[in-house]
Amino acid sequence: DAGVTQSPTHLIKTRGQQVTLRCSPKSGHDTVSWYQQALGQGPQFIFQYYEEEERQRGNFPDRFSGHQFPNYSSELNVNALLLGDSALYLCASSLGRGRTDTQYFGPGTRLTVL
Amino acid sequence: AQSVAQPEDQVNVAEGNPLTVKCTYSVSGNPYLFWYVQYPNRGLQFLLKYITGDNLVKGSYGFEAEFNKSQTSFHLKKPSALVSDSALYFCAVSVNQAGTALIFGKGTTLSVSS
Repeated sequence: DAGVTQSPTHLIKTRGQQVTLRCSPKSGHDTVSWYQQALGQGPQFIFQYYEEEERQRGNFPDRFSGHQFPNYSSELNVNALLLGDSALYLCASSLGRGRTDTQYFGPGTRLTVL
Repeated sequence: AQSVAQPEDQVNVAEGNPLTVKCTYSVSGNPYLFWYVQYPNRGLQFLLKYITGDNLVKGSYGFEAEFNKSQTSFHLKKPSALVSDSALYFCAVSVNQAGTALIFGKGTTLSVSS
């Protein structure tokens, strides 16, 4: 049973560029959440998708947007990249049953903005 | 505001000794609490969670955690540490106001010496 997968593993971009990160959830999961983990910090919630809709959003600017496809996979898009966007981006999937859900994380995408 | 605190940046223990990684929370409403572990260059792995019921929760790899409502704490414990337990540990909480998003502490590095 495949767990949560993310691509690419690493990515290097320059300021002002746009980036798209991809996530495939664990088999049977219908909810995808995205987190940003800056160096030396705990993950911070960006947003969550369920039934192809953004269900909840954290305190991130509109430059961060996402999408969920009918097969439950998801994309995170970041426009107008800033140096401060350099971080590990984690995708987590869950069953979408509520706050008691366990979220299972992928290995992450390391984004470096130069 | 909802928050999670991990008061120790690093915990050092000798192999075979018991270990404790501390976590306290500040939330309104019932907290649902989680522990995750992160190995270098890896995503987060779920260890255990407290939803309701018995205050002592048993999880993966011999870890357990004790929920204490009066002290608003959820400390992670293991009776006998292994060198392979050395990693970064995160406490997280899911609360009403944040929906299904997880709020993470900043993490505690556990170092187990042989």
